[in-house]
Amino acid sequence: EIVLTQSPGTLSLSPGERATLSCRASQSVSSSYLAWYQQKPGQAPRLLIYGASSRATGIPDRFSGSGSGTDFTLTISRLEPEDFAVYYCQQYGSSPPVFTFGPGTKVDIK
Amino acid sequence: QVQLVESGGGVVQPGRSLRLSCAASGFTFSSYGMHWVRQAPGKGLEWVAVIWYDGSNKYYADSVKGRFTISRDNSKNTLYLQMNSLRAEDTAVYYCARVASIAAPLDAFDIWGQGTMVTVSS
Repeated sequence: EIVLTQSPGTLSLSPGERATLSCRASQSVSSSYLAWYQQKPGQAPRLLIYGASSRATGIPDRFSGSGSGTDFTLTISRLEPEDFAVYYCQQYGSSPPVFTFGPGTKVDIK
Repeated sequence: QVQLVESGGGVVQPGRSLRLSCAASGFTFSSYGMHWVRQAPGKGLEWVAVIWYDGSNKYYADSVKGRFTISRDNSKNTLYLQMNSLRAEDTAVYYCARVASIAAPLDAFDIWGQGTMVTVSS
């Protein structure tokens, strides 16, 4: 079973700053099967990135994903006020199908 | 517009059953795999179950295997989660979510419902 670890647990930044979030897998993950989600309080998660680096429909280009193997990164180039939220990585694999989420990184206002 | 709306949550005693529903609209429901994901109060996301677009395959998290059953009625554009032998640790907001690609079982979750709260307590 693949376990995802996200770091840091909390990231305190100011608007306009760059955010770098890490997601590490206990085993190699196919890049095609790594996603990132944003969740704000009281709301459902929103898909940001799929296939490790492809932006979902309507996602601003300040969000970017990268990585391969066991190390993946979500970067927010310049934080906007609406970006302060919790971010989850997820891997989806086969044999049998599993859809594991990481524990999340909270990005809050410094 | 593309939408998922969950219903059926509530307060239930340990050991009892509950059935959640997820009504889909704005897309061809029968072409997409569907998931249930839950989130305990103040905690992270936990995948619960998936069903293929045609209902041919179903998979469950170990934490609910043997107690929960995912199903769908494509004629009614509705996804279900039958939850039996409920435990306190099943207390969570339950979300339904759509697989991003048509007829592809392994993909990200692109559309989410607003969630329905299930509280298991005596």
